[in-house]
Amino acid sequence: NAGVMQNPRHLVRRRGQEARLRCSPMKGHSHVYWYRQLPEEGLKFMVYLQKENIIDESGMPKERFSAEFPKEGPSILRIQQVVRGDSAAYFCASSTGATRQETQYFGPGTRLLVL
Amino acid sequence: SQQGEEDPQALSIQEGENATMNCSYKTSINNLQWYRQNSGRGLVHLILIRSNEREKHSGRLRVTLDTSKKSSSLLITASRAADTASYFCATGVYSNYQLIWGAGTKLIIKP
Repeated sequence: NAGVMQNPRHLVRRRGQEARLRCSPMKGHSHVYWYRQLPEEGLKFMVYLQKENIIDESGMPKERFSAEFPKEGPSILRIQQVVRGDSAAYFCASSTGATRQETQYFGPGTRLLVL
Repeated sequence: SQQGEEDPQALSIQEGENATMNCSYKTSINNLQWYRQNSGRGLVHLILIRSNEREKHSGRLRVTLDTSKKSSSLLITASRAADTASYFCATGVYSNYQLIWGAGTKLIIKP
């Protein structure tokens, strides 16, 4: 049973370009969470999605950031017109969603570097 | 400020010694979870303790929860070099699905 998969593992973008980060949850998991982590800091919640629904996007910047989790395929975190401050590690986690705040299983992360 | 705040920020001990990390939080919680993150990797879930539990064990890990003091501790006994990592506490609050994360404790085990 494969764990949570994220790709790419490393992504380099120039300012103004778009970044697309993908997350495939564990088999049987229908809930996905995205987090951002700056160096030497903890995780910052961004968005929580179920299939085809955004449940909580309170941690997502209002502009340039969007997320989706379509019926088929991976969850996508999209950052438009990237700026240097977007450089961070972005982690995806998944859970079954059977109960609130249950154990989350994390992917290896995507490290985004904006030049 | 963060809901969960770990203390200390960094801890360096000799292999074989016990390591204790603390987490304090501000609001009422449904559960509290501890995770480990090895350098450059994703997080791994260690243990979950519910608000009506006071202590939980898993192998060399012992977690306590004191809801009156709004604090939790993670004890790693007989530490090993492989325990070197950052340890994060995350709290689940009743009102939503989120886990709220602290900034972590960086643990270094010296051989």
